[in-house]
Amino acid sequence: EAGVAQSPRYKIIEKRQSVAFWCNPISGHATLYWYQQILGQGPKLLIQFQNNGVVDDSQLPKDRFSAERLKGVDSTLKIQPAKLEDSAVYLCASSLQGEGTAFFGQGTRLTVV
Amino acid sequence: ELKVEQNPLFLSMQEGKNYTIYCNYSTTSDRLYWYRQDPGKSLESLFVLLSNGAVKQEGRLMASLDTKARLSTLHITAAVHDLSATYFCAVGPDYGGATNKLIFGTGTLLAVQP
Repeated sequence: EAGVAQSPRYKIIEKRQSVAFWCNPISGHATLYWYQQILGQGPKLLIQFQNNGVVDDSQLPKDRFSAERLKGVDSTLKIQPAKLEDSAVYLCASSLQGEGTAFFGQGTRLTVV
Repeated sequence: ELKVEQNPLFLSMQEGKNYTIYCNYSTTSDRLYWYRQDPGKSLESLFVLLSNGAVKQEGRLMASLDTKARLSTLHITAAVHDLSATYFCAVGPDYGGATNKLIFGTGTLLAVQP
């Protein structure tokens, strides 16, 4: 069974530039999460989708971050403009609807300089 | 706001010794997960605990859940170097129908010394 796919694996941008990350969840998983993990900390939930609807985006800095999940499958997370403090690993995860275990992708390591 | 705290944050163990990592959370929950993260890698699911008193074991790791105390433990038996990693607990708060929200703890960095 294919896992959660993310791209790119690494990205370096200058502050005030924009960047986008892509995630393809495990087939059949209705729930998709985007987490931000700053070095030395636990993952922080940014946004959670159920199919193509947003369940929770209370921690998403909406002035600069946006996310969408087209047709309830793939998802993109965008940052515009980026700040130095956005340097982190961005993890995508998915789970079956009604079942808890979330499976994580390899993540995208973002460095803002 | 749900808070999930782990202790210790860092644990240096000798091979062959036993130790326990604690995960406390601040609101009711019926779901508790343990994950492992190796340096530079993503998170790997270890255990899912779904009821009060649940206990699960895999190799040298055993996890338990006490929902009344809002506490989960991850017990390590006779540690070996391969267990060196960061361990996270994650809680799914009981919001009466909200789906699968997961809040992670601070993590415990485990270093097993020969």
